[in-house]
Amino acid sequence: DAGVTQSPTHLIKTRGQQVTLRCSPKSGHDTVSWYQQALGQGPQFIFQYYEEEERQRGNFPDRFSGHQFPNYSSELNVNALLLGDSALYLCASSLDHYNEQFFGPGTRLTVL
Amino acid sequence: TQLLEQSPQFLSIQEGENLTVYCNSSSVFSSLQWYRQEPGEGPVLLVTVVTGGEVKKLKRLTFQFGDARKDSSLHITAAQPGDTGLYLCAGYLDMRFGAGTRLTVKP
Repeated sequence: DAGVTQSPTHLIKTRGQQVTLRCSPKSGHDTVSWYQQALGQGPQFIFQYYEEEERQRGNFPDRFSGHQFPNYSSELNVNALLLGDSALYLCASSLDHYNEQFFGPGTRLTVL
Repeated sequence: TQLLEQSPQFLSIQEGENLTVYCNSSSVFSSLQWYRQEPGEGPVLLVTVVTGGEVKKLKRLTFQFGDARKDSSLHITAAQPGDTGLYLCAGYLDMRFGAGTRLTVKP
């Protein structure tokens, strides 16, 4: 079992650009959550996907959007990148909302 | 805004020492989780505490949930360099994490 995988590992973008991050959940998991972790901070919840729909959303602007595919993998899209979007983006998967989340290693995004 | 406050923010100790880190909130949580995160990795769940006053032990780690379910503590006995990492608390189902305590255990 590969666990939760994320790609790419690192990414450098410039202000105003758009980025897509990808996540493959742990085998058997159907729920994917995305978090943003700024340097020196704890993870901040962005949103959660279940059955290809956004089920919960944290306090993030509409520039942050996502998608879940029929195979439960997920993408996080961020438009009009700002310097403050530089962070580690974590994906976590679980079997439904009520079970333990398993985190991937994250994608380190740097916005210049 | 972090609704969970963790203290201390940083802690550096020698191998063999004991330590306690805290997680406090003004909100009541149905349950609370503790994670450890190492550099370059995602957080790994250590424990979930559910009942007010509950104490759970995981080898040298002891977790306690406050009676009012607003706070929690993590006590490590005889810390080892392998305990080094960022310790995070999070409200279960609430998706909210504290900022963490960064622990360094020196050999």
